[in-house]
Amino acid sequence: AQRVTQPEKLLSVFKGAPVELKCNYSYSGSPELFWYVQYSRQRLQLLLRHISRESIKGFTADLNKGETSFHLKKPFAQEEDSAMYYCALSASGFNKFYFGSGTKLNVKP
Amino acid sequence: GAVVSQHPSWVICKSGTSVKIECRSLDFQATTMFWYRQFPKQSLMLMATSNEGSKATYEQGVEKDKFLINHASLTLSTLTVTSAHPEDSSFYICSALDRPSEPQHFGDGTRLSIL
Repeated sequence: AQRVTQPEKLLSVFKGAPVELKCNYSYSGSPELFWYVQYSRQRLQLLLRHISRESIKGFTADLNKGETSFHLKKPFAQEEDSAMYYCALSASGFNKFYFGSGTKLNVKP
Repeated sequence: GAVVSQHPSWVICKSGTSVKIECRSLDFQATTMFWYRQFPKQSLMLMATSNEGSKATYEQGVEKDKFLINHASLTLSTLTVTSAHPEDSSFYICSALDRPSEPQHFGDGTRLSIL
């Protein structure tokens, strides 16, 4: 069965510190992985997806099939990065998305 | 970019009434729409997948007769919470998809409060 695990409910870092939000998945096929962000009182927004291999707002994420991980990283956190971050998996060929439980990132001044 | 509009954004009603929530894709045709429920400080829980012109597919544990979904056109899906009770109070979010395995586009959500 498909599963997305985000082990940290809350991650607090100081401004300028590196940040890594962990995401592990289990899926027998070829998944597509996404990171969504939800700022306070706003809708979920796509942050990035693994197939595009791009950096958005300084964030990057690499799909590691050996470790079945898709961790989100940023070298220098900013206060405006404070938000809820959700890792999501789309099973190839299907329409469903499976979301992790989310990690709240709190960047302190 | 693709915009999904959800209406109303907040509704308060008495126990026993039915509430309809609309989800519209404004600038694209959505082959599939999804309905999620989000409890405070928790993740999104997929309730059902809705394809235009066909019956919705409900996730395990979601009552079909309680949460009626209609996807009458490629730009509109509705969720009706029938005979709502306080335990149905939650944040309901829809998303829309124009192609399989593409990112979903989310609405702003509807906060439903049942008194």
